[in-house]
Amino acid sequence: NAGVMQNPRHLVRRRGQEARLRCSPMKGHSHVYWYRQLPEEGLKFMVYLQKENIIDESGMPKERFSAEFPKEGPSILRIQQVVRGDSAAYFCASSPQGWDQPQHFGDGTRLSIL
Amino acid sequence: GESVGLHLPTLSVQEGDNSIINCAYSNSASDYFIWYKQESGKGPQFIIDIRSNMDKRQGQRVTVLLNKTVKHLSLQIAATQPGDSAVYFCAERDLEGGGADGLTFGKGTHLIIQP
Repeated sequence: NAGVMQNPRHLVRRRGQEARLRCSPMKGHSHVYWYRQLPEEGLKFMVYLQKENIIDESGMPKERFSAEFPKEGPSILRIQQVVRGDSAAYFCASSPQGWDQPQHFGDGTRLSIL
Repeated sequence: GESVGLHLPTLSVQEGDNSIINCAYSNSASDYFIWYKQESGKGPQFIIDIRSNMDKRQGQRVTVLLNKTVKHLSLQIAATQPGDSAVYFCAERDLEGGGADGLTFGKGTHLIIQP
């Protein structure tokens, strides 16, 4: 009964490189959300996806960031040309369909930019 | 902008005592609330949720109270144990308004259990 799986757990990139973060939702969950967390702060919503569709990306920066949730495989959060300010913990959550269903989180990917 | 916030950044309680963690929210359109527990190096763990048509909900050792009049949410943990040490976040969702479909999180309260 696996929960939300994220990988890698830690990712180190140099400025200008690309970062790819992966998330496999819980079995039976069709909704995926990505959040960013800075130290000593709460999580900030980035994007909400369903299979093959971006439903809401209002929290995601317009440049360099993109997300997908293909028909097969995990959801991917992609950050191009990373900068120091991208250093953070990125969490993925999933939920079943339904407006009042709680989101369940993975253990995150800690991204460090050198 | 409107946001969810917490009154105290740190709460220290004796093992065995009851803990009460508070949360004030400002978005009157929010109608679904969740409490999460986050341990160091891990993701938020769901504790309990409540819809705005309720004012109280109980789980195992936890109770959530919602006061919509003053826009206040609290989490009560009975007989606090060492394993309860963590940062606790309240989160809200505005299901009626437009904008983000994600949750809006407060900054968190660090619960410290003293032996």
